[in-house]
Amino acid sequence: AQKVTQAQTEISVVEKEDVTLDCVYETRDTTYYLFWYKQPPSGELVFLIRRNSFDEQNEISGRYSWNFQKSTSSFNFTITASQVVDSAVYFCALYNFNKFYFGSGTKLNVKP
Amino acid sequence: DTAVSQTPKYLVTQMGNDKSIKCEQNLGHDTMYWYKQDSKKFLKIMFSYNNKELIINETVPNRFSPKSPDKAHLNLHINSLELGDSAVYFCASSLQTGSREKLFFGSGTQLSVL
Repeated sequence: AQKVTQAQTEISVVEKEDVTLDCVYETRDTTYYLFWYKQPPSGELVFLIRRNSFDEQNEISGRYSWNFQKSTSSFNFTITASQVVDSAVYFCALYNFNKFYFGSGTKLNVKP
Repeated sequence: DTAVSQTPKYLVTQMGNDKSIKCEQNLGHDTMYWYKQDSKKFLKIMFSYNNKELIINETVPNRFSPKSPDKAHLNLHINSLELGDSAVYFCASSLQTGSREKLFFGSGTQLSVL
Protein backbone atom coordinates (compact mmCIF):
# COMPACT_ATOMS: atom_id res chain seq x y z
CA ALA A 1 0.00 0.00 0.00
CA GLN A 2 1.09 3.54 -0.65
CA LYS A 3 1.11 5.94 2.24
CA VAL A 4 2.67 9.25 3.26
CA THR A 5 3.01 10.22 6.90
CA GLN A 6 3.70 13.70 8.15
CA ALA A 7 3.79 13.20 11.88
CA GLN A 8 4.14 16.88 12.74
CA THR A 9 0.67 18.39 12.65
CA GLU A 10 1.76 21.90 13.53
CA ILE A 11 5.10 23.62 14.19
CA SER A 12 5.69 27.12 15.50
CA VAL A 13 9.01 28.88 15.21
CA VAL A 14 10.31 32.39 15.55
CA GLU A 15 11.57 34.17 12.47
CA LYS A 16 15.16 33.30 11.49
CA GLU A 17 15.02 29.90 13.12
CA ASP A 18 15.69 26.81 11.00
CA VAL A 19 12.90 24.28 10.81
CA THR A 20 12.65 20.76 9.40
CA LEU A 21 9.41 19.20 8.22
CA ASP A 22 9.39 15.42 8.27
CA CYS A 23 7.95 13.12 5.65
CA VAL A 24 7.96 9.33 5.72
CA TYR A 25 6.51 7.30 2.88
CA GLU A 26 5.59 3.70 2.19
CA THR A 27 5.61 1.97 -1.15
CA ARG A 28 6.64 -1.42 -2.46
CA ASP A 29 7.54 -0.10 -5.86
CA THR A 30 11.10 0.77 -6.79
CA THR A 31 10.08 3.57 -9.13
CA TYR A 32 8.25 6.46 -7.58
CA TYR A 33 8.37 10.21 -7.21
CA LEU A 34 8.23 12.42 -4.17
CA PHE A 35 6.91 15.96 -4.04
CA TRP A 36 6.52 18.83 -1.67
CA TYR A 37 3.73 21.38 -2.02
CA LYS A 38 3.07 24.57 -0.10
CA GLN A 39 -0.43 25.80 0.73
CA PRO A 40 -0.28 29.41 1.98
CA PRO A 41 -3.24 30.98 3.79
CA SER A 42 -4.64 32.10 0.44
CA GLY A 43 -5.43 28.44 -0.24
CA GLU A 44 -3.83 27.44 -3.52
CA LEU A 45 -1.26 24.63 -3.57
CA VAL A 46 2.11 25.53 -4.97
CA PHE A 47 4.66 23.01 -6.23
CA LEU A 48 8.05 23.16 -4.53
CA ILE A 49 10.06 20.15 -5.60
CA ARG A 50 9.94 16.72 -7.26
CA ARG A 51 12.44 13.96 -6.68
CA ASN A 52 12.54 10.53 -8.33
CA SER A 53 13.39 7.38 -6.42
CA PHE A 54 16.68 6.87 -8.22
CA ASP A 55 18.10 10.23 -7.30
CA GLU A 56 19.09 10.45 -3.67
CA GLN A 57 21.11 13.58 -4.11
CA ASN A 58 20.02 16.29 -1.70
CA GLU A 59 18.83 19.54 -3.16
CA ILE A 60 19.15 23.12 -2.08
CA SER A 61 17.16 26.01 -3.46
CA GLY A 62 17.82 29.25 -1.66
CA ARG A 63 16.67 28.83 1.93
CA TYR A 64 14.98 25.51 1.12
CA SER A 65 16.71 22.15 1.19
CA TRP A 66 15.50 18.59 0.89
CA ASN A 67 17.02 15.42 2.30
CA PHE A 68 15.97 12.20 0.58
CA GLN A 69 16.99 8.96 2.29
CA LYS A 70 15.70 5.72 0.80
CA SER A 71 17.12 3.70 3.68
CA THR A 72 14.65 5.34 6.04
CA SER A 73 11.97 6.11 3.41
CA SER A 74 12.12 9.77 4.31
CA PHE A 75 12.03 12.98 2.32
CA ASN A 76 12.50 15.80 4.79
CA PHE A 77 12.28 19.50 4.05
CA THR A 78 14.33 22.14 5.83
CA ILE A 79 13.76 25.87 5.75
CA THR A 80 16.78 27.86 6.85
CA ALA A 81 16.35 31.27 8.46
CA SER A 82 12.57 31.05 8.32
CA GLN A 83 10.48 34.08 7.44
CA VAL A 84 6.90 35.03 8.20
CA VAL A 85 6.02 34.42 4.54
CA ASP A 86 6.94 30.78 5.02
CA SER A 87 3.84 30.34 7.18
CA ALA A 88 1.72 27.79 5.37
CA VAL A 89 0.65 24.18 5.34
CA TYR A 90 3.23 21.98 3.66
CA PHE A 91 2.29 18.71 2.00
CA CYS A 92 4.53 15.84 1.10
CA ALA A 93 3.25 13.57 -1.67
CA LEU A 94 4.17 10.27 -3.27
CA TYR A 95 3.46 9.58 -6.94
CA ASN A 96 3.06 5.89 -7.71
CA PHE A 97 0.87 3.82 -10.01
CA ASN A 98 -0.60 6.88 -11.71
CA LYS A 99 -1.78 8.42 -8.46
CA PHE A 100 -0.65 11.04 -6.02
CA TYR A 101 -0.81 10.14 -2.34
CA PHE A 102 -0.68 13.16 -0.07
CA GLY A 103 0.34 13.34 3.55
CA SER A 104 -1.93 15.11 6.01
CA GLY A 105 0.20 18.25 5.92
CA THR A 106 2.25 20.15 8.48
CA LYS A 107 1.13 23.62 9.43
CA LEU A 108 4.11 25.91 9.92
CA ASN A 109 3.65 29.13 11.89
CA VAL A 110 6.54 31.55 11.68
CA LYS A 111 6.23 34.35 14.21
CA PRO A 112 8.00 37.69 13.87
CA ASP B 1 -3.18 34.54 -16.86
CA THR B 2 -4.39 31.88 -14.44
CA ALA B 3 -3.21 28.39 -15.36
CA VAL B 4 -5.98 26.43 -13.62
CA SER B 5 -9.07 28.41 -12.76
CA GLN B 6 -12.11 27.17 -10.93
CA THR B 7 -15.36 28.86 -10.09
CA PRO B 8 -16.91 29.72 -7.80
CA LYS B 9 -14.39 30.34 -5.03
CA TYR B 10 -17.07 30.09 -2.36
CA LEU B 11 -20.31 28.16 -2.48
CA VAL B 12 -22.83 28.21 0.36
CA THR B 13 -25.94 26.14 -0.10
CA GLN B 14 -28.66 24.20 1.67
CA MET B 15 -28.75 20.46 2.15
CA GLY B 16 -30.49 18.68 -0.68
CA ASN B 17 -29.57 21.21 -3.35
CA ASP B 18 -27.65 20.45 -6.53
CA LYS B 19 -24.58 22.50 -7.39
CA SER B 20 -21.74 22.59 -9.91
CA ILE B 21 -18.13 23.68 -9.78
CA LYS B 22 -16.35 24.53 -13.01
CA CYS B 23 -12.69 24.13 -13.85
CA GLU B 24 -10.64 25.19 -16.82
CA GLN B 25 -6.92 24.90 -17.56
CA ASN B 26 -5.02 26.78 -20.23
CA LEU B 27 -1.80 24.79 -19.96
CA GLY B 28 -2.54 22.34 -22.75
CA HIS B 29 -2.44 19.47 -20.26
CA ASP B 30 -4.08 16.15 -21.04
CA THR B 31 -5.03 15.17 -17.50
CA MET B 32 -7.31 16.85 -15.00
CA TYR B 33 -8.31 15.94 -11.46
CA TRP B 34 -10.69 16.73 -8.67
CA TYR B 35 -9.40 16.58 -5.11
CA LYS B 36 -11.32 17.03 -1.88
CA GLN B 37 -9.65 18.65 1.13
CA ASP B 38 -11.46 18.09 4.40
CA SER B 39 -11.42 20.24 7.52
CA LYS B 40 -8.25 18.53 8.70
CA LYS B 41 -6.51 19.51 5.47
CA PHE B 42 -6.36 15.95 4.22
CA LEU B 43 -6.26 15.86 0.41
CA LYS B 44 -7.93 12.97 -1.33
CA ILE B 45 -8.32 12.32 -5.02
CA MET B 46 -11.84 11.95 -6.31
CA PHE B 47 -11.56 11.73 -10.07
CA SER B 48 -9.04 11.89 -12.85
CA TYR B 49 -9.71 12.44 -16.54
CA ASN B 50 -7.26 12.00 -19.36
CA ASN B 51 -8.27 13.71 -22.58
CA LYS B 52 -11.98 13.61 -21.64
CA GLU B 53 -11.83 9.99 -20.54
CA LEU B 54 -12.38 8.91 -16.92
CA ILE B 55 -9.22 7.29 -15.57
CA ILE B 56 -9.60 7.31 -11.81
CA ASN B 57 -12.84 7.15 -9.89
CA GLU B 58 -12.14 6.71 -6.22
CA THR B 59 -14.89 5.55 -3.91
CA VAL B 60 -16.98 8.63 -4.29
CA PRO B 61 -20.78 8.63 -3.88
CA ASN B 62 -22.52 8.67 -7.23
CA ARG B 63 -24.10 11.97 -6.23
CA PHE B 64 -20.81 13.36 -7.54
CA SER B 65 -20.60 13.38 -11.31
CA PRO B 66 -17.66 14.81 -13.19
CA LYS B 67 -18.02 15.96 -16.76
CA SER B 68 -15.27 16.77 -19.20
CA PRO B 69 -16.59 18.43 -22.38
CA ASP B 70 -13.03 18.79 -23.67
CA LYS B 71 -9.57 18.23 -22.28
CA ALA B 72 -9.31 21.81 -21.01
CA HIS B 73 -12.43 21.58 -18.85
CA LEU B 74 -13.49 19.34 -16.00
CA ASN B 75 -16.65 20.24 -14.13
CA LEU B 76 -18.01 18.66 -10.99
CA HIS B 77 -21.72 18.36 -10.39
CA ILE B 78 -23.02 17.36 -6.98
CA ASN B 79 -26.60 16.21 -6.44
CA SER B 80 -28.53 16.19 -3.18
CA LEU B 81 -25.83 17.90 -1.17
CA GLU B 82 -25.19 16.62 2.35
CA LEU B 83 -23.56 18.24 5.36
CA GLY B 84 -20.55 15.94 4.98
CA ASP B 85 -19.86 17.35 1.53
CA SER B 86 -18.62 20.57 3.11
CA ALA B 87 -14.96 20.83 2.16
CA VAL B 88 -12.59 22.60 -0.18
CA TYR B 89 -12.58 21.12 -3.67
CA PHE B 90 -9.48 21.54 -5.78
CA CYS B 91 -9.19 21.10 -9.49
CA ALA B 92 -5.73 20.22 -10.81
CA SER B 93 -4.06 19.32 -14.06
CA SER B 94 -0.89 17.60 -15.19
CA LEU B 95 0.82 17.08 -18.49
CA GLN B 96 -0.43 13.54 -18.93
CA THR B 97 -1.46 10.49 -16.95
CA GLY B 98 1.35 8.28 -15.82
CA SER B 99 3.94 10.93 -16.49
CA ARG B 100 4.50 11.73 -12.79
CA GLU B 101 4.54 15.37 -13.81
CA LYS B 102 3.76 17.87 -11.12
CA LEU B 103 0.21 18.91 -10.47
CA PHE B 104 -0.96 22.44 -11.09
CA PHE B 105 -3.79 23.33 -8.74
CA GLY B 106 -6.64 25.76 -8.94
CA SER B 107 -7.28 28.06 -6.01
CA GLY B 108 -10.01 25.85 -4.59
CA THR B 109 -13.77 26.09 -4.06
CA GLN B 110 -14.90 26.22 -0.47
CA LEU B 111 -18.25 24.46 -0.29
CA SER B 112 -20.38 24.96 2.81
CA VAL B 113 -23.55 22.91 3.11
CA LEU B 114 -25.96 24.22 5.72
